[in-house]
Formats: sequence, C-alpha cells, structure tokens
Amino acid sequence: DGGITQSPKYLFRKEGQNVTLSCEQNLNHDAMYWYRQDPGQGLRLIYYSQIVNDFQKGDIAEGYSVSREKKESFPLTVTSAQKNPTAFYLCASSEFNEKLFFGSGTQLSVL
Amino acid sequence: AQKVTQAQTEISVVEKEDVTLDCVYETRDTTYYLFWYKQPPSGELVFLIRRNSFDEQNEISGRYSWNFQKSTSSFNFTITASQVVDSAVYFCALRVNYGGATNKLIFGTGTLLAVQP
Repeated sequence: DGGITQSPKYLFRKEGQNVTLSCEQNLNHDAMYWYRQDPGQGLRLIYYSQIVNDFQKGDIAEGYSVSREKKESFPLTVTSAQKNPTAFYLCASSEFNEKLFFGSGTQLSVL
Repeated sequence: AQKVTQAQTEISVVEKEDVTLDCVYETRDTTYYLFWYKQPPSGELVFLIRRNSFDEQNEISGRYSWNFQKSTSSFNFTITASQVVDSAVYFCALRVNYGGATNKLIFGTGTLLAVQP
C-alpha cells in the first residue's frame, strides 16, 4: 500500500536531549512537509522540502532541524533548543501543487 | 493577511441530524485553493475536497456537500444524516503562495464533531 509512515507513534524526550522523528513515503512525491499540531490549534508548518537535498523553513522552524538525503525520507530532529516540544507532529507529502497526504503522526512528550 | 477561521470549536449532534461546519477565510490573492480535511481519532488527516477560487459551484459527494461563496469568503461543509463514524476533527485550509512552496496550507483551528448514537 502506498502511503506515509511515521515512527514512532509515541516519543518521550528528556531535558537537553535531541530526538528524531522518522517520516518515510512510497508515493514517489517530490515535496514533503512537517507540521506541528497543538491542542485546540490548527497545524503549523515547521519545514518543507520540494526536492532532494533542499529544504526551507516554515513558520516555526526554531528549535528544529531536517534533512532530505533521499526522496522518500524526511526526518525531523527536535533539538534541545526547542523549549516547548510537546505536540503532535504530522508529516505530509505531495506532488507539486497537489493535495497533501498525511502520515498518522507522532506524539512527542517531555519527561 | 492570510487566515482561516473556524469559529465552531466543538459541535455535538445526534445521529441522523444534519450538521454544517463553518469556514471563513481571508486572502488578498485572487487565485487560491480551499481544502477540507478530516482527522479521526487515529490522527491521520484525510483529504475530503479541494476547491479553487474560480469555481464557485457547490459540490456534493454522498452525504457530504460544500458551499463556496466568494462574496462572504466562506467555504462551509455540510454532513447530511450524520453517523457516528463522522466523529472527528475537521479542518478547513487555505493554500497560498509561500516563496517557492505553493503548497503551503494555512489551517483553521479545527472543529471537533461528536455524533452521538
């Protein structure tokens, strides 16, 4: 089945720790995105990538980093600089200017 | 400013009732796209519809219908004869140009729909 796989489903971060959220897609989409969802709020764009080896900051990139070494993979690292990391993180992909397909998300919590 | 407002935070209905979810958007762009996504408890957002700014025709898909009115900047979503499986958070979104990423979506805060049996 084609789709987007996010792992893990739940992740816990200790103080000062960097954690990496995985996102893999087999839809052959060029563009990939990371969104953050907080309770009662809409989704906010963290980073996006339109092509391999290229990515751009979204609205709330501070404290996060990404890489795009392969077309199918777009991992997100939540660094220790992100002081309020507890949220639901959603990865998405799309063809150029087409609808977004979303993964099932990763819930990140702070220990 | 680009913005999407979903004023209804939470709606509760009884099965078989009709329900309308409101969406009001703001943009200065003349070309834009509007979307509705459904987020069931599993967390994944599911695409429901996309509408471009030049097409004001209403659309019906089974029990779902959408009313797009540019005059009031609204793109409302109606579920007819609601079912328990319709329980989810529904997001309205606006697609605008954002540097090179013309696929940036601006989301509303979502409406939680609870359908009681």
